[in-house]
Parts: sequence; C-alpha cells; structure tokens
Amino acid sequence: GGIITQTPKFLIGQEGQKLTLKCQQNFNHDTMYWYRQDSGKGLRLIYYSITENDLQKGDLSEGYDASREKKSSFSLTVTSAQKNEMAVFLCASSIGGEEVFFGKGTRLTVV
Amino acid sequence: GDQVEQSPSALSLHEGTGSALRCNFTTTMRAVQWFRKNSRGSLINLFYLASGTKENGRLKSAFDSKERYSTLHIRDAQLEDSGTYFCAAGRGLSGKLTFGEGTQVTVIS
Repeated sequence: GGIITQTPKFLIGQEGQKLTLKCQQNFNHDTMYWYRQDSGKGLRLIYYSITENDLQKGDLSEGYDASREKKSSFSLTVTSAQKNEMAVFLCASSIGGEEVFFGKGTRLTVV
Repeated sequence: GDQVEQSPSALSLHEGTGSALRCNFTTTMRAVQWFRKNSRGSLINLFYLASGTKENGRLKSAFDSKERYSTLHIRDAQLEDSGTYFCAAGRGLSGKLTFGEGTQVTVIS
C-alpha cells in the first residue's frame, strides 16, 4: 500500500495572492493529478502529469500552474486567488490508466 | 467533452433495505471507479472495473462499456453507508477521470 500526503490541509489566502499546494505520494506511481471539488459537485481535472517534468492541462487549468519536480511530488499554484473562492483541491496518483488513489485534500478559503 | 450522468442525486434508505445507483456515459469508457466521500471529506475507493462485476461485502458494482453504463448496488444498508457516492470513468491510458455529480445517500433507522 501507499499514501498520498497533501499539505497544507487548510489554506486561507487573500484575494490576488499566489498560493501553492503540495502533494507527495509513496506508491511509486508514474501519473499524478490535481482535481478541484466545489460544494455539491463532482471533481474536475486541473492538471496532470504522466512522468517527472511532464505537464498536461485538464479542463480547468486557467488560473493555475503546476510543477512535477520529481516522480513522488506534484505541486499546484493558484496564480491569483479569487475573493470568496472556496473549494477542496484533491491530489491523486495512478499507474497509467489503472486505479486512481486520492489524498485527503486541501481546503482553500479566500478572504 | 465526455460526460458522466449520475442518478439519483439523492437517496434515502431504511436500514436493511437496498437500492442502486447508476452512471451513464456519453462515450465509450475504458474503466470506471466508484468512491464514497466520508465525513472527513476523503474519497474512499470502493471499486475499479474495466469490465464485468465486482462484489465487496454488501456492495456490488457492474460496468458495461459497450452499453455505456455502470451501477452500484447497496444491499442491507447500514447507517455507516451514509455519504456521497461518486462514479468516475476514463477513456484512455492517462487515467484521467470524468466524475459524476454524486449521489447523497442517507440511511435512516
């Protein structure tokens, strides 16, 4: 088994601020993902990466940057936080198209 | 783009009874996953299917890629089964998932 660790668990930012969320996995999975979940909705894909230094845009990439520094870590940057934004950001990993596993999430609040 | 239509959006069950959740896909999917979101907001993996059916305790899931649907059956519902259930499916080898909007399941005594 393995684990996906997301930091921080809670993030409070100010409007216009650049915010970075981090994710580490010890599954030795090659593919990692960032999803966003808004209240009462399903998850939407922001970015994914199939290997170290690779980046692929998802459906919701505008307003975000991502970085796959090494196989085990994948970070997401909110380039300019929007006022009153509230969402949970979920990191995930898998081996190619096989079963995807999720971290516990980072809850973002922008004041 | 790909869409996943999940139904019902909410479901109330008496303890000991059962019901089914369903996801329809607008295109042919390679695999489907079912998750339950627990009270702390974590997504718990229930099933991963590339075809056929799988069973785990009181839960059973089926996936028909050709007919573009998947189901999740809950039998003998218990209070701890309450939560939001999501299906998610992917087409390619990247593992990208398209999620349904979830089913809020409430088990009542």
